[in-house]
Amino acid sequence: QVLLVESGGGVVQPGKSLRLSCVASGFTFSSYGMHWVRQAPGKGLEWVAVISFNGDEKYYVDSVKGRFTISRDKSKNTVYLQMNSLRGEDTALYYCAKDEGSGSGTSEALDSWGQGTQVTVSS
Amino acid sequence: SYDLTQPLSVSVALGQTATITCGGKKIGEKNVHWYQLKPGQAPVLVLYRDLNRPPGIPGRFSGSNSGNTATLTISGAQAGDEADYSCQVWDSYTAVFGGGTKLTVL
Repeated sequence: QVLLVESGGGVVQPGKSLRLSCVASGFTFSSYGMHWVRQAPGKGLEWVAVISFNGDEKYYVDSVKGRFTISRDKSKNTVYLQMNSLRGEDTALYYCAKDEGSGSGTSEALDSWGQGTQVTVSS
Repeated sequence: SYDLTQPLSVSVALGQTATITCGGKKIGEKNVHWYQLKPGQAPVLVLYRDLNRPPGIPGRFSGSNSGNTATLTISGAQAGDEADYSCQVWDSYTAVFGGGTKLTVL
């Protein structure tokens, strides 16, 4: 079955950087889009970014554009989220999720999720 | 930006029917997906494209979408259905989630 395992979270000071990783297994990684979604304490889900199956298309929520970069490595079945210039409002549990399709950013559901990795931005 | 509105909480008696709404402008023209969130667990997709159930999701979960409201219905609610439920759509290459509804099974 599909398994997504996130790592890389931690406590970081404002303005610093962090890179999250998500290792995928149980499906043909190179055929599906991949997402990052976060949930701040006491808040609902907030979608962060998607990368298409081949890495050619990437879309971001406005609040992270220019600061976060999503990427993928098919040789490692891994999707990354490079987070720069971190702010207090980036504090959240970050989930990796698999797209049901190619990750075109139009209509697909997120059909499998990891357990998440916690990111805390604090001085 | 596109906004989705969900009630903060819904309560249902054990075995009765729960209805969770998701409001958005002309949401009936979009595909709506629903997710179940439980503390300490990975979120689970319970309905996709308005009314389709993924494998393993019980038949008591159903959905509809028309006009400005999408609806998730849980018929014969069980104790294990107590969770947060979030709706999601795509708008201009951005995934948008509703604020989430806490379902309490009494």
